[in-house]
Amino acid sequence: KAGVTQTPRYLIKTRGQQVTLSCSPISGHRSVSWYQQTPGQGLQFLFEYFSETQRNKGNFPGRFSGRQFSNSRSEMNVSTLELGDSALYLCASSPAGRGTEAFFGQGTRLTVV
Amino acid sequence: GIQVEQSPPDLILQEGANSTLRCNFSDSVNNLQWFHQNPWGQLINLFYIPSGTKQNGRLSATTVATERYSLLYISSSQTTDSGVYFCAVFRTGGGADGLTFGKGTHLIIQP
Repeated sequence: KAGVTQTPRYLIKTRGQQVTLSCSPISGHRSVSWYQQTPGQGLQFLFEYFSETQRNKGNFPGRFSGRQFSNSRSEMNVSTLELGDSALYLCASSPAGRGTEAFFGQGTRLTVV
Repeated sequence: GIQVEQSPPDLILQEGANSTLRCNFSDSVNNLQWFHQNPWGQLINLFYIPSGTKQNGRLSATTVATERYSLLYISSSQTTDSGVYFCAVFRTGGGADGLTFGKGTHLIIQP
């Protein structure tokens, strides 16, 4: 069974640009969550999608958004990039969210210059 | 929201030693997971253990939900065990309804 796949693995963007990250969950999993990891703030929850609907959202500005497609693949978008958005973005796949076991992808390392 | 504290923050051991990592959480939880973050950043699942005890090879974990803590035991450490170990909890209605992570324990196993 294939694991969680995130693309791209690495990305360099300029301040003010926007970026889209992609996550393909484990087959059969309907919940996809996104997390941001930085040295200063650690791992923080961004949002969760379930059956194409955003079910939960963490404490991040509206520049961070996402969506989920009918095949459960998810994308997250960050608009008007700031230097502080440089981070490792991790996607988690779980059967149903809400406390069911989460499995993480390899992450996308975003650098904003 | 729920608070998760991990201790110790750093741990340096010789190969072959045993270690115990602790995770304290501030409220009842529906889920608790232990992860090992590899050098490339991926979080590798170790245990899904909201309560009770589980073992997988040299690793075992115990969660005492009523006392709000979990322990991860690593026996006969190997250099490949080095890395950061995270505890993460989930509590329905506990705020953002995502996993809340501790700050991690950075483990270094020296040959």
